[in-house]
Amino acid sequence: DQQVKQNSPSLSVQEGRISILNCDYTNSMFDYFLWYKKYPAEGPTFLISISSIKDKNEDGRFTVFLNKSAKHLSLHIVPSQPGDSAVYFCAASPYNQGGKLIFGQGTELSVKP
Amino acid sequence: ETGVTQTPRHLVMGMTNKKSLKCEQHLGHNAMYWYKQSAKKPLELMFVYNFKEQTENNSVPSRFSPECPNSSHLFLHLHTLQPEDSALYLCASSQVERGNQPQHFGDGTRLSIL
Repeated sequence: DQQVKQNSPSLSVQEGRISILNCDYTNSMFDYFLWYKKYPAEGPTFLISISSIKDKNEDGRFTVFLNKSAKHLSLHIVPSQPGDSAVYFCAASPYNQGGKLIFGQGTELSVKP
Repeated sequence: ETGVTQTPRHLVMGMTNKKSLKCEQHLGHNAMYWYKQSAKKPLELMFVYNFKEQTENNSVPSRFSPECPNSSHLFLHLHTLQPEDSALYLCASSQVERGNQPQHFGDGTRLSIL
């Protein structure tokens, strides 16, 4: 029973356009959400996060949106660059559980020049 | 050194061997974690240590034995593993008492069981 789901295993986008990665969750006790990026042969790198009291957080080219009623979050990358090509994982943390993270399966983003 | 360092990066072992994975964090964090990532699966949390005390064991078989001697070091002792234990093992650390903080990961140990 997967509590965090990324239903698109892959996404291909043209350089300069917007990349939108989606994530759905089922547990209403999640109160902190994160996106990580992973290159081959490296560990996941923290990208951006959002608390459940917000619906949007922006950091440069990266914006995360949270829709609590739909239990859905998305990561927007604008403009997309070839160096953004990687696997993106969303993760969620339950309230008051000492930093425990539940991860989605990942979406492989390919940005073509 | 900075960040989270894991050694070795690659490990091949037989099912009867005993080996240990090592993780060291230089971020001043007070919590450390072990994750397993099998092919085409999400990262699975294995163990959580807060202030050197184990606070989570996610139904991990006893052939995996964690050890946290201090807040900067974390080990995963392996013995009599099975072929299905072949995976990428990732260590992470975070600071848990300052509200929500992200976990920072090492580059992992790629484990192959013969």
